[in-house]
Amino acid sequence: AQSVTQPDIHITVSEGASLELRCNYSYGATPYLFWYVQSPGQGLQLLLKYFSGDTLVQGIKGFEAEFKRSQSSFNLRKPSVHWSDAAEYFCAVDSGNTPLVFGKGTRLSVIA
Amino acid sequence: DGGITQSPKYLFRKEGQNVTLSCEQNLNHDAMYWYRQDPGQGLRLIYYSQIVNDFQKGDIAEGYSVSREKKESFPLTVTSAQKNPTAFYLCASNAGGPRSNQPQHFGDGTRLSIL
Repeated sequence: AQSVTQPDIHITVSEGASLELRCNYSYGATPYLFWYVQSPGQGLQLLLKYFSGDTLVQGIKGFEAEFKRSQSSFNLRKPSVHWSDAAEYFCAVDSGNTPLVFGKGTRLSVIA
Repeated sequence: DGGITQSPKYLFRKEGQNVTLSCEQNLNHDAMYWYRQDPGQGLRLIYYSQIVNDFQKGDIAEGYSVSREKKESFPLTVTSAQKNPTAFYLCASNAGGPRSNQPQHFGDGTRLSIL
């Protein structure tokens, strides 16, 4: 069965520091890949998506993600974190055979 | 502005009672979805619908029911058969359906609690 793994349950970074959130998936072919962000008590907002082409994709709020086929990964990065980035982040994968599958999320805390 | 409206934001259920969560979208999307979110569990798919008058079970459909009589609306009923209904419920929609490259758009959720 397809699966999405976000290895880090909770990450704490200092404001202004760089950030990388990890996402690994298990599929044979290249799936459609998404990153979403959720603020407490809110719905999910799309940060970015990858379907094909350039493996480095840019999203909103200064986020980017890189697709690495050899590692089955789609890690999310931001060069300088702001306090407003504190939220929960979800990686999601659509293999084309089943509906969208979400990872369990990574909660990001930002300290001064 | 187009979007997805979920109501109510908070809902309380008594033991043995059915409750219905509302989801309305004005994005003209064909496909709609219901997810359940529990702490540390991510989102799990309850039901989805690709077109009016058609819907399919997701991973955790037991104890839930849905209808899709209008394109804009996809209400979810949490029945008394659902023994652990306390959770945050999210409704979503997209243009391309459940196996496409069209991202899903989400409502702001309904938090359901047991009295």
